[in-house]
Amino acid sequence: QKEVEQDPGPLSVPEGAIVSLNCTYSNSAFQYFMWYRQYSRKGPELLMYTYSSGNKEDGRFTAQVDKSSKYISLFIRDSQPSDSATYLCAMTTNDYKLSFGAGTTVTVRA
Amino acid sequence: DADVTQTPRNRITKTGKRIMLECSQTKGHDRMYWYRQDPGLGLQLIYYSFDVKDINKGEISDGYSVSRQAQAKFSLSLESAIPNQTALYFCATSPGDPSTQYFGPGTRLTVL
Repeated sequence: QKEVEQDPGPLSVPEGAIVSLNCTYSNSAFQYFMWYRQYSRKGPELLMYTYSSGNKEDGRFTAQVDKSSKYISLFIRDSQPSDSATYLCAMTTNDYKLSFGAGTTVTVRA
Repeated sequence: DADVTQTPRNRITKTGKRIMLECSQTKGHDRMYWYRQDPGLGLQLIYYSFDVKDINKGEISDGYSVSRQAQAKFSLSLESAIPNQTALYFCATSPGDPSTQYFGPGTRLTVL
C-alpha cells in the first residue's frame, strides 16, 4: 500500500463548478501538507500548503487537513478553464523529503 | 531565464547505453532532488542532496547514480539504461522550508 493515496481521475467539470480533490495517507508523522499543480509538459509548482490540521484559503482555493482521519482536501471554487491541470498532493514530516500522491487530472470545460 | 533548468529536454536512447541528465539552478538553494514520474504513480524520489558533500538514496535508487558537482549542479546517470526506465524525470530544489520545492521543466527519456 502506498503511503499517500490519490484518485487519479480524470475529473471533468463545467466552468464555474466547484472542484473537490482529496488524498488519504497512512503516516501519522506527516506535518506539512501541500498541493502542487502541474500543467501539461511542465514541472509541478506549489499551489498551497498547510502546516498540521486546519483550513487555509487563498482566493478561489481552499485546502483542508484532517489529521484525525488522515485525509486532506483541495477545493477550487468558480473553476476556470485555466485551472485544467494535474493536481498532486504531497506531504512530509520535517525531513525535507516529500511523499506525493499519484495526481488527479482535472479538465474544466468552457 | 528559468531558475531550474534541465538538459536535455527529450532523449531517446537504446538499452545498455549510459546516459546523463543534468540539472542547474540559480536559486542558491542547498537542497536538490531527482524524481521520476510515471503515469498513475506520481513522483518517486530517486536521490537527494542537502549540500555538495551530502548524497542520499531515495525510494527507487537502483540503476541510478548521481553527482553533485557544485551547489548549483546535480546530475543523474543511468549506467546501463533499460526500457522500464522510460519516464519523465524532474529535478527540484528547496530552500530551508520543508513544504516548498521548485521543479525544473523535466526530461522525457525513452529507452528502446
